[in-house]
Amino acid sequence: ILNVEQSPQSLHVQEGDSTNFTCSFPSSNFYALHWYRWETAKSPEALFVMTLNGDEKKKGRISATLNTKEGYSYLYIKGSQPEDSATYLCASVNAGNNRKLIWGLGTSLAVNP
Amino acid sequence: EPEVTQTPSHQVTQMGQEVILRCVPISNHLYFYWYRQILGQKVEFLVSFYNNEISEKSEIFDDQFSVERPDGSNFTLKIRSTKLEDSAMYFCASRGLAGGQSSYNEQFFGPGTRLTVL
Repeated sequence: ILNVEQSPQSLHVQEGDSTNFTCSFPSSNFYALHWYRWETAKSPEALFVMTLNGDEKKKGRISATLNTKEGYSYLYIKGSQPEDSATYLCASVNAGNNRKLIWGLGTSLAVNP
Repeated sequence: EPEVTQTPSHQVTQMGQEVILRCVPISNHLYFYWYRQILGQKVEFLVSFYNNEISEKSEIFDDQFSVERPDGSNFTLKIRSTKLEDSAMYFCASRGLAGGQSSYNEQFFGPGTRLTVL
């Protein structure tokens, strides 16, 4: 894998459904994996930063896992609410001094009430 | 809570004109970044800036682009002669150091400036 890829590209769910998205990234020279939540006209909001293989992080109804050996991360949302509607971006960071983010295209989530 | 701010929120310009996009990073941060997202495409890294100089730049960041931290507060991106393909959302981000206010890995983003080149 040379790029950061996310799937699905978009998702429509009903309120109360649980959902998950995938981010795949280059596993060589890996340093960190970020998940951001982005609503139009607002700043991308940092959800998680993960660095260790097997990391699991949780914030409320949202959680994420990391597998650095195979180069993927899952983001889970339990009991989706309309306010969860946003684009969820993942970005990988390679080892090096600048810590620039290499981004996926994002998963656009729409939660219908 | 400290935040990164960007002005203007939307800039419309004619092709060939110069534009300056402004960012005010979080005050104790030392690393600064510009990214952009062309509509429908991935967010792309443009440039990183540390210790008053560019530390890395992408292929996109050609001679038409420049960055400056003129007064220790603002961080600006200048495009000298805009092209149609420069139309995008431009994001500024800043990052601190381990042991400081923010975690080492985390970049904080501004809300973006939407640049439209006609």
